[in-house]
Amino acid sequence: ETGVTQSPTHLIKTRGQQVTLRCSSQSGHNTVSWYQQALGQGPQFIFQYYREEENGRGNFPPRFSGLQFPNYSSELNVNALELDDSALYLCASSLGQVTLQGEQFFGPGTRLTVL
Amino acid sequence: AQSVTQLGSHVSVSEGALVLLRCNYSSSVPPYLFWYVQYPNQGLQLLLKYTTGATLVKGINGFEAEFKKSETSFHLTKPSAHMSDAAEYFCAVTPSGGSYIPTFGRGTSLIVHP
Repeated sequence: ETGVTQSPTHLIKTRGQQVTLRCSSQSGHNTVSWYQQALGQGPQFIFQYYREEENGRGNFPPRFSGLQFPNYSSELNVNALELDDSALYLCASSLGQVTLQGEQFFGPGTRLTVL
Repeated sequence: AQSVTQLGSHVSVSEGALVLLRCNYSSSVPPYLFWYVQYPNQGLQLLLKYTTGATLVKGINGFEAEFKKSETSFHLTKPSAHMSDAAEYFCAVTPSGGSYIPTFGRGTSLIVHP
């Protein structure tokens, strides 16, 4: 059984650029959630995708967008990068729409640095 | 609205000593409560969760937590710390109905001395 994987591991961008982060969910899982974890903070929920549709969104602007593909892998896209977007971005997969009663499995994260 | 407060950004214990990590929450509806552990350069791993039923919840690696509604608390304990317990611990809350958007605390770093 393959766990949640994320790519790339690290990424450096400059202000104003766009970035795409990728996540492969655990085998059999149809729900993916994305989180932003700033240094010294807890994860903040960005949004969740269930069966290719956004299903719940946290307090993030529209320049944060996502996709989920038929194989349930997912992308997080961030446009017009700002310095405050520097963070660890975590992906978590789970089975079923109501994910937070059940167990989410987290990937190791992508460390994004915006200069 | 919901919020989570983890008292103490760092907790230091000796190996073999009791571990107590504090978590208080506020929620306008009955919550579901979680504790996660994060080792360096890794994602979060679920330690335990409370949804309904017994208020004392046992998790992995010898950890347990007790939901105390009157105190709005969900403190994490372990009777005897091990060096391998050194990590970052996060408490999280979700509302039990409607939106399942989770709120995480800022985390507590557990340091274990030999």
